[in-house]
Amino acid sequence: GENVEQHPSTLSVQEGDSAVIKCTYSDSASNYFPWYKQELGKGPQLIIDIRSNVGEKKDQRIAVTLNKTAKHFSLHITETQPEDSAVYFCAATRFNDYKLSFGAGTTVTVRA
Amino acid sequence: GAVVSQHPSWVICKSGTSVKIECRSLDFQATTMFWYRQFPKQSLMLMATSNEGSKATYEQGVEKDKFLINHASLTLSTLTVTSAHPEDSSFYICSARDPARGQETQYFGPGTRLLVL
Repeated sequence: GENVEQHPSTLSVQEGDSAVIKCTYSDSASNYFPWYKQELGKGPQLIIDIRSNVGEKKDQRIAVTLNKTAKHFSLHITETQPEDSAVYFCAATRFNDYKLSFGAGTTVTVRA
Repeated sequence: GAVVSQHPSWVICKSGTSVKIECRSLDFQATTMFWYRQFPKQSLMLMATSNEGSKATYEQGVEKDKFLINHASLTLSTLTVTSAHPEDSSFYICSARDPARGQETQYFGPGTRLLVL
């Protein structure tokens, strides 16, 4: 099955700085890569996703890049704000499978 | 985005009793829903895939007789934890797939915290 590794496990950044989280996957057939943000006591919220036919996608301060050859994808958050503090999960799945394989999560703390 | 609700948001029960958790897609029809379990400071663990009108598919190691799943309509799936024990205490989260927004996209509910005494 798919194995997704996520780094780092914790990340502390100064407000206004950028944060980068990296994930690698093992199944070359995976073609959909979502990122979720989970605040304490809540369910995960989809913040951005990318499909394998695209190398980069951006939505305001959030961007995701995908390197299919190396089988890794990254989340970039620019101009971080205190409300960006949360646990972020990457995930991967293959076409028509629909079951997501999650990374272990990254706890992001934005220092004011 | 698509909205998924869960009820109840938290529940406390005595050991040996059964607890039912509901998952609803509020503004879309979900042919497929998923049930996850999450322990503190850990990632999400998929328990089962629920398809409307058919039997759920359970992941390896998940007892189907203990975690009963029913997906009776395109907007409702239920998870019943039967004969709950303290080790079943966890955060249970459902998600629903909205084919109209992309075949693979899953939207998560707010979760249900279960505490078994």
